[in-house]
Amino acid sequence: DAGVIQSPRHEVTEMGQEVTLRCKPISGHNSLFWYRQTMMRGLELLIYFNNNVPIDDSGMPEDRFSAKMPNASFSTLKIQPSEPRDSAVYFCASSRGQSNTEAFFGQGTRLTVV
Amino acid sequence: SQQGEEDPQALSIQEGENATMNCSYKTSINNLQWYRQNSGRGLVHLILIRSNEREKHSGRLRVTLDTSKKSSSLLITASRAADTASYFCATQVDYKLSFGAGTTVTVRA
Repeated sequence: DAGVIQSPRHEVTEMGQEVTLRCKPISGHNSLFWYRQTMMRGLELLIYFNNNVPIDDSGMPEDRFSAKMPNASFSTLKIQPSEPRDSAVYFCASSRGQSNTEAFFGQGTRLTVV
Repeated sequence: SQQGEEDPQALSIQEGENATMNCSYKTSINNLQWYRQNSGRGLVHLILIRSNEREKHSGRLRVTLDTSKKSSSLLITASRAADTASYFCATQVDYKLSFGAGTTVTVRA
């Protein structure tokens, strides 16, 4: 298995632009997480999907952030409009089951908003 | 919000020495997990210990869990240069996996 695949690996965009981050979870995993990592705040859970349904989006910082999971093999995280404070590394992770299982992380997308 | 807090924040040791880091948390948990992150990479799962377990081993890793003190420790024995990385504890309550700030470990050759 190729693991969790994220794209792009790096994204530089101007303030106000729309940014879309993509994730392909491991086949057979039914839980998907989006995390954001910054030096100041560490790893923050943004949203959790189970069986393609958003279960917990309490970590999504603002209405500018939205996430979808149209099917079991694809998820997107969109920021519109982007702001410099959104600069961070965004990770997608998937796991088999809801609890007591390990999470497999993608390589992350490093987002820079200038 | 971060559930776990690692201690120390940073650790520098000589190759061959043991490295110990600790994690404290605040609420009851289903399990506690440890992850490693190499610079610029994603997190890699190391070990999961359930709330009813007290100790677990995996290769050169030893994890303990004390639910009465709400704390865990990760011991890496006979460290190697390749162990240089950041180590994170993560507590899981139902589906929610919450990470601490991490311990940065540097192994000097």
